[in-house]
Amino acid sequence: NAGVMQNPRHLVRRRGQEARLRCSPMKGHSHVYWYRQLPEEGLKFMVYLQKENIIDESGMPKERFSAEFPKEGPSILRIQQVVRGDSAAYFCASSREGNYGYTFGSGTRLTVV
Amino acid sequence: DQQVKQNSPSLSVQEGRISILNCDYTNSMFDYFLWYKKYPAEGPTFLISISSIKDKNEDGRFTVFLNKSAKHLSLHIVPSQPGDSAVYFCASTNTGNQFYFGTGTSLTVIP
Repeated sequence: NAGVMQNPRHLVRRRGQEARLRCSPMKGHSHVYWYRQLPEEGLKFMVYLQKENIIDESGMPKERFSAEFPKEGPSILRIQQVVRGDSAAYFCASSREGNYGYTFGSGTRLTVV
Repeated sequence: DQQVKQNSPSLSVQEGRISILNCDYTNSMFDYFLWYKKYPAEGPTFLISISSIKDKNEDGRFTVFLNKSAKHLSLHIVPSQPGDSAVYFCASTNTGNQFYFGTGTSLTVIP
């Protein structure tokens, strides 16, 4: 029973490129959450999705960031035209409906050079 | 706006002694609180939780205490073991849509 799978584990992008981070939730989990951890900080909520719906994106930067959770396939967090300040660890979590118990993936560490 | 605060970035404890990690929050609407444990290069792992209708929840060596009037949460680990060395995050929510995390406390248990 695989946990939350995130890939890639490490991603290096040059400034101005696009970054795509993938998250496959645990089997049976229909809720996906993305969090970002900047150096020396705690995890900050970005977006909450269910299949084909964005439920809460109050933590997403207004520009360059987007997320989706299609009917088939993993959830994608997309960052366009990356800048150095986007360098962080991006964690995805999933849960069953109505369950506060998140399960986190191991994260994707994005480095913008 | 940091709604959940962990004011101690680090804590060192001798093996076998008690570890006490503290967390303060500002939002009186929070009704569910959790502690996560995180090892380097891994995602946070759920440890223990408590709802606002309780003031204590215990699971083995781990006990979480909630003082709503003080808006204060603490995690007690007893006895502490070297394998407990990790970063501990507290988190709170009032909707379940998003959790507000503290900045973490790095616990080192000295053998």
